[in-house]
Amino acid sequence: GQQLNQSPQSMFIQEGEDVSMNCTSSSIFNTWLWYKQDPGEGPVLLIALYKAGELTSNGRLTAQFGITRKDSFLNISASIPSDVGIYFCAGHSNTGNQFYFGTGTSLTVIP
Amino acid sequence: DVKVTQSSRYLVKRTGEKVFLECVQDMDHENMFWYRQDPGLGLRLIYFSYDVKMKEKGDIPEGYSVSREKKERFSLILESASTNQTSMYLCASSPSLVTGYTFGSGTRLTVV
Repeated sequence: GQQLNQSPQSMFIQEGEDVSMNCTSSSIFNTWLWYKQDPGEGPVLLIALYKAGELTSNGRLTAQFGITRKDSFLNISASIPSDVGIYFCAGHSNTGNQFYFGTGTSLTVIP
Repeated sequence: DVKVTQSSRYLVKRTGEKVFLECVQDMDHENMFWYRQDPGLGLRLIYFSYDVKMKEKGDIPEGYSVSREKKERFSLILESASTNQTSMYLCASSPSLVTGYTFGSGTRLTVV
């Protein structure tokens, strides 16, 4: 399967700080998704991106579809304790039947 | 509230047992998926189904099979459970193959 690399693998930040994470692929994708997984739960869709260069926000979260179509970025502003969880990117190309998922970024917010 | 429901949150099974993981969705979605999640490896696709009685292998189908007799239900079967199948299993559904998936809460399976 396709390899999506997410970085960083884990983050420990103070409450109120901004967070940035990214996802890169060896292949071009036409759709990028960002999910959050709370402890003990399944992933929940946060943001979907459909066009290169697209910038989309959902509250304090902003995601961007990279110009090269091989990467995507997620930013969280003014982090709060409930932001704790694992964030996954997922990408889909026109030639495939599935979304490929990244390895996840584990976020810990210290109050 | 639309949802994907996995029948068990936690399961403990013995090596060699046949294991059934059940998943039901109430959104009338065409497509359903089974993933396993392991630390450092992310989510890996085991099987998916785009219609009743249809199935496609994902990236890691070995040791698993699936059944989709009704649109709303997608079952994952471990024919003979092994310890390396200890994992979190996630079911998902979507209305098309290019739209985001809705996931269930997961089943954490331990094979001893």
